[in-house]
Amino acid sequence: QQQVKQSPQSLIVQKGGIPIINCAYENTAFDYFPWYQQFPGKGPALLIAIRPDVSEKKEGRFTISFNKSAKQFSLHIMDSQPGDSATYFCAARGATNKLIFGTGTLLAVQP
Amino acid sequence: EAGVAQSPRYKIIEKRQSVAFWCNPISGHATLYWYQQILGQGPKLLIQFQNNGVVDDSQLPKDRFSAERLKGVDSTLKIQPAKLEDSAVYLCASSLTRQGEAFFGQGTRLTVV
Repeated sequence: QQQVKQSPQSLIVQKGGIPIINCAYENTAFDYFPWYQQFPGKGPALLIAIRPDVSEKKEGRFTISFNKSAKQFSLHIMDSQPGDSATYFCAARGATNKLIFGTGTLLAVQP
Repeated sequence: EAGVAQSPRYKIIEKRQSVAFWCNPISGHATLYWYQQILGQGPKLLIQFQNNGVVDDSQLPKDRFSAERLKGVDSTLKIQPAKLEDSAVYLCASSLTRQGEAFFGQGTRLTVV
């Protein structure tokens, strides 16, 4: 119940494409859902986050879609660029303030 | 603003040896986290400090792992004795409050041979 399931494991898109990464959770006590971006040799960095009272949030080219009834949320990257190539992690946080991370998606954006 | 500093960046040790990692959080951040990231997986929380007190260490293997945060600033994570399965990147993160955004350091890559 504490898991966050993430898919796909890897993704290749062409420059300008819209990669979509999906996550699902079981614990309805989760109330904060961030996405992290991690480049090789670096720590994860917060990209965008959403709370369950909102169905969509946009920041620049990054959009989170949230479906509370299905307990699913996804990250969309508009007009993807080679510089977006990284590993993306979804996460969820509940009352204990502990972040539970997904298994990650390795994104490659080809020029 | 300086980020979270960790050292060393890399460490290779033999199994059954001991190792220690150091973390200096962002100045003023009360909450400090240690995560373990095994290759191909997401980070897993090992221990969370609020100032110099432990908030959550439920996933810390206490028979071999220990951590402390003296004076509520720097922190050290120790493994003694190390096992092959401890090979991972150990990430330190800090946040202003327990509900605040967590900022991660670059991590220490540990290889146990």
